[in-house]
Amino acid sequence: RKEVEQDPGPFNVPEGATVAFNCTYSNSASQSFFWYRQDCRKEPKLLMSVYSSGNEDGRFTAQLNRASQYISLLIRDSKLSDSATYLCVVNMRKGGGADGLTFGKGTHLIIQP
Amino acid sequence: DAGVIQSPRHEVTEMGQEVTLRCKPISGHDYLFWYRQTMMRGLELLIYFNNNVPIDDSGMPEDRFSAKMPNASFSTLKIQPSEPRDSAVYFCASSLTGPTLLGLSNEKLFFGSGTQLSVL
Repeated sequence: RKEVEQDPGPFNVPEGATVAFNCTYSNSASQSFFWYRQDCRKEPKLLMSVYSSGNEDGRFTAQLNRASQYISLLIRDSKLSDSATYLCVVNMRKGGGADGLTFGKGTHLIIQP
Repeated sequence: DAGVIQSPRHEVTEMGQEVTLRCKPISGHDYLFWYRQTMMRGLELLIYFNNNVPIDDSGMPEDRFSAKMPNASFSTLKIQPSEPRDSAVYFCASSLTGPTLLGLSNEKLFFGSGTQLSVL
């Protein structure tokens, strides 16, 4: 099983719709979770951290389900500018005491006018 | 703040040549990371430094890759000799805190604009 797995998409969604996608992670000891956004030919940028109780930032809602080992991102009232690749990121401790952020390959979202 | 600065933005080279990628982290950030991104493998951590000291280089593919951080404001990633399969976008990132604390604080990882490397 891959460490962090996402549906690559693309998700084609009409403007104004609600879209949600999930990410699963393999290491139950994972400590921290994030969603990053990456525009075409640009660097990844933090969209939001994901907290145990779930959190919301404007039109974006992130949820964590530790029992099933997945996190989700929901975007309401989608805008054209939401078109991007959304990277699921998990901090998991690896062998030898080293730790690090493990990135999923991303889910490609296209908002259509 | 200028952000994380990488150079060059694009590099095209021939197989067998030495390639050096450069990174200037955000001033005051104690952690510096080198990532590689490809369509097949996504974003992979190659190595990271804390206070100029390499902490985890388990992601470095092989001996052809080496990274240095001679001071707090500069790091290099060198590939010698380069091969076509090294073609990718290489990102440098920096942060105030280490990976473990990133999610437990309000700190975050800042990426540079990346270097698009093409090895022919």
